[in-house]
Amino acid sequence: DAGVIQSPRHEVTEMGQEVTLRCKPISGHDYLFWYRQTMMRGLELLIYFNNNVPIDDSGMPEDRFSAKMPNASFSTLKIQPSEPRDSAVYFCASSRTRKKLFFGSGTQLSVL
Amino acid sequence: TQLLEQSPQFLSIQEGENLTVYCNSSSVFSSLQWYRQEPGEGPVLLVTVVTGGEVKKLKRLTFQFGDARKDSSLHITAAQPGDTGLYLCAGAPNNNDMRFGAGTRLTVKP
Repeated sequence: DAGVIQSPRHEVTEMGQEVTLRCKPISGHDYLFWYRQTMMRGLELLIYFNNNVPIDDSGMPEDRFSAKMPNASFSTLKIQPSEPRDSAVYFCASSRTRKKLFFGSGTQLSVL
Repeated sequence: TQLLEQSPQFLSIQEGENLTVYCNSSSVFSSLQWYRQEPGEGPVLLVTVVTGGEVKKLKRLTFQFGDARKDSSLHITAAQPGDTGLYLCAGAPNNNDMRFGAGTRLTVKP
């Protein structure tokens, strides 16, 4: 299995621009998670899906952030408009059981 | 305040030394997990401890779950440069979403 695939690996954009991060979970995993990692706050859960349905989005910082999962093999996290404080590494993870998480390699986002 | 407090935050040691890192909480967990994260990669699960007092070994790594299921420790014997990384503990309080500690950043110098 290829594991969780995230794209792009690196994204540099200017403040105010729209950013879309993509994730392909491991086939057969029913849960998909989006995390954000910074030095100051560590790994924070943003949102997670079960069977393509958003279950808990209480970690989404503000309305500028949105996430979708149109099918079992694809999810997006969108930031519009982006701000410098959104700079972080964004991880997607998938799981069969919600307990054992498999992480992608992350997207390093820099908002200038 | 973090749900899971990890200490120390940073640790730098010489190859061959032993070390212990800690994960503490005021909450009770049905299980706790340890992940290792290398630069430029996502965290990778090392172990899950489930029973209070449980000890699990993974080669030179020994994991222990506290009797009250509120804390855990990771002991590494004869550390090697390949052990370098960010060690994260994680747990799902009240069987909710998986939450992570801030991690211990370990550097093992050759």
